Amino acid sequence: GQGVEQPAKLMSVEGTFARVNCTYSTSGFNGLSWYQQREGQAPVFLSYVVLDGLKDSGHFSTFLSRSNGYSYLLLTELQIKDSASYLCAVRDRNSGTYQRFGTGTKLQVVP
Amino acid sequence: GGIITQTPKFLIGQEGQKLTLKCQQNFNHDTMYWYRQDSGKGLRLIYYSITENDLQKGDLSEGYDASREKKSSFSLTVTSAQKNEMAVFLCASSSLIANTEVFFGKGTRLTVV
Repeated sequence: GQGVEQPAKLMSVEGTFARVNCTYSTSGFNGLSWYQQREGQAPVFLSYVVLDGLKDSGHFSTFLSRSNGYSYLLLTELQIKDSASYLCAVRDRNSGTYQRFGTGTKLQVVP
Repeated sequence: GGIITQTPKFLIGQEGQKLTLKCQQNFNHDTMYWYRQDSGKGLRLIYYSITENDLQKGDLSEGYDASREKKSSFSLTVTSAQKNEMAVFLCASSSLIANTEVFFGKGTRLTVV
């Protein structure tokens, strides 16, 4: 079947890092996006990956392994304001235009 | 930049009632979406419209109708509200050509009593 899985919760300490994992199964992978969603707010786009490897975007980096159906979002030098839900979304050739979302990971950054 | 405006922000309905949610975008995007977000279940696609005059069912279309009145607007109708239903409905849009980034509205929070 096709699905996108993420752990429900993650806790990390301010000043350190957090890795938000996403695993997916799809019949024809066509790109993966990451979004940040603060409580009561709309999701906001962070990054898009379609090729294997690490994509460094400063505070956020994203990794993709298509052969393993796996991606992660890496947040470094965490701040309290990074506390939010992080959503992974996969586009495949069956879904075409739209992205299939995971359940999201709620990250709590503690002092 | 553009903005997606959803109305109303909060909607309280009665069981069996037909309810309509509205969405407007000024990005001039071709593609628009309606997602439902329930706690612990992520975003699930209800309907989407690739271009004006197009309508496609998503994974959760049963119990809903949608209408793409013009390029900038996309409305969603809950055909018969279910008692104790509570969810946030998110409208979104993207460019047909460069649709890697999807822009979202702030949502309509539905409560059915």
